[in-house]
Amino acid sequence: QQPVQSPQAVILREGEDAVINCSSSKALYSVHWYRQKHGEAPVFLMILLKGGEQKGHEKISASFNEKKQQSSLYLTASQLSYSGTYFCGTVSGGSNYKLTFGKGTLLTVNP
Amino acid sequence: EAQVTQNPRYLITVTGKKLTVTCSQNMNHEYMSWYRQDPGLGLRQIYYSMNVEVTDKGDVPEGYKVSRKEKRNFPLILESPSPNQTSLYFCASSLEGMNTEAFFGQGTRLTVV
Repeated sequence: QQPVQSPQAVILREGEDAVINCSSSKALYSVHWYRQKHGEAPVFLMILLKGGEQKGHEKISASFNEKKQQSSLYLTASQLSYSGTYFCGTVSGGSNYKLTFGKGTLLTVNP
Repeated sequence: EAQVTQNPRYLITVTGKKLTVTCSQNMNHEYMSWYRQDPGLGLRQIYYSMNVEVTDKGDVPEGYKVSRKEKRNFPLILESPSPNQTSLYFCASSLEGMNTEAFFGQGTRLTVV
């Protein structure tokens, strides 16, 4: 079952902040975040593991609430280059190899 | 350069004509997977492989086959393609399982007429 992302789309002006949420009905082992620009492959942003460990780019911040099976990606002081579709992917407990993606959040940053 | 290479990038074929999309990685990754991407549906996993000769179904495996005879290669086989398999396909690899960063290939846009 795919995780649910919100919002589906968001439009920002350069310099504004945004939060993208991801929630699952299953107990999660980890949450992944990727960004995809139009016509390109998804690119890794961050992994958040159960227990608090995070792996990813320093300029990206995210949270993982294990009890609520939710994660949020925080984009601060947005730049034009942040535009794209953001996907969260979840790995549920018991299956360490199956990554299920949400439907994506389209972020547009305007000058 | 570390990369995942898919071929072909674009393919138009007819219903029922068997085809193979190749995927190769040069990072000695254990884990490889295939996804399809359709508008409004995000990325859906087709098959994944934890290591050589070890594969398992993802969320949408019907109509697809895979094999992992070598660590670096993970081809996707459509034995009898149908129009509902028209999609954008991505191959991905990661060092070990899903606790590590996934590297994606550039995608294969398949059209079945």
